[in-house]
Amino acid sequence: KNQVEQSPQSLIILEGKNCTLQCNYTVSPFSNLRWYKQDTGRGPVSLTIMTFSENTKSNGRYTATLDADTKQSSLHITASQLSDSASYICVVSADTGGFKTIFGAGTRLFVKA
Amino acid sequence: ETGVTQTPRHLVMGMTNKKSLKCEQHLGHNAMYWYKQSAKKPLELMFVYSLEERVENNSVPSRFSPECPNSSHLFLHLHTLQPEDSALYLCASSSHVDGDYSNEKLFFGSGTQLSVL
Repeated sequence: KNQVEQSPQSLIILEGKNCTLQCNYTVSPFSNLRWYKQDTGRGPVSLTIMTFSENTKSNGRYTATLDADTKQSSLHITASQLSDSASYICVVSADTGGFKTIFGAGTRLFVKA
Repeated sequence: ETGVTQTPRHLVMGMTNKKSLKCEQHLGHNAMYWYKQSAKKPLELMFVYSLEERVENNSVPSRFSPECPNSSHLFLHLHTLQPEDSALYLCASSSHVDGDYSNEKLFFGSGTQLSVL
């Protein structure tokens, strides 16, 4: 069964600290993996996309990694800011043609001053 | 702004009411989607439209009825809903080539927060 699992479910950190969010997936055949950021009261916004041959991708203070062998991804946030408080959703697409995109339940990040 | 606009932002309705959610995209995309987001659960795909034709329907109850009059507009008609249908309903759009949606970035609206009493 195609699944995407994220951990932790929620996380509280102090402003300026770093953190890492985890994503494990069983989607096959793998096409790509995206991380989305969802602010409260808004829709998700894409942060990064990685295909099978890419093992790291950065977007400002956000760095995503991918290990296609172990089917794991992480999102590292450096020097966190209050505006980083949001849900971070891992999304994996299968290479089956048509529409096959699996969403994780998200990690809720709270950044405190 | 993501280029995808949803109205209303909030909706409270009784189980016997009929209401409609509206979505409009200004990005020139050829696919539009309805998702349901419940607390602490992954987004659930409800419907996918490609060039106004429904291409995916994930076994959604008939009390949800989608309508796509053109490639820029998408509606979700609601009737006789249940309290468990209370959730955030998100509209999204994307571009696809030859029916392959896997590489396309989804652009989401801000959603309609629906409460069914």
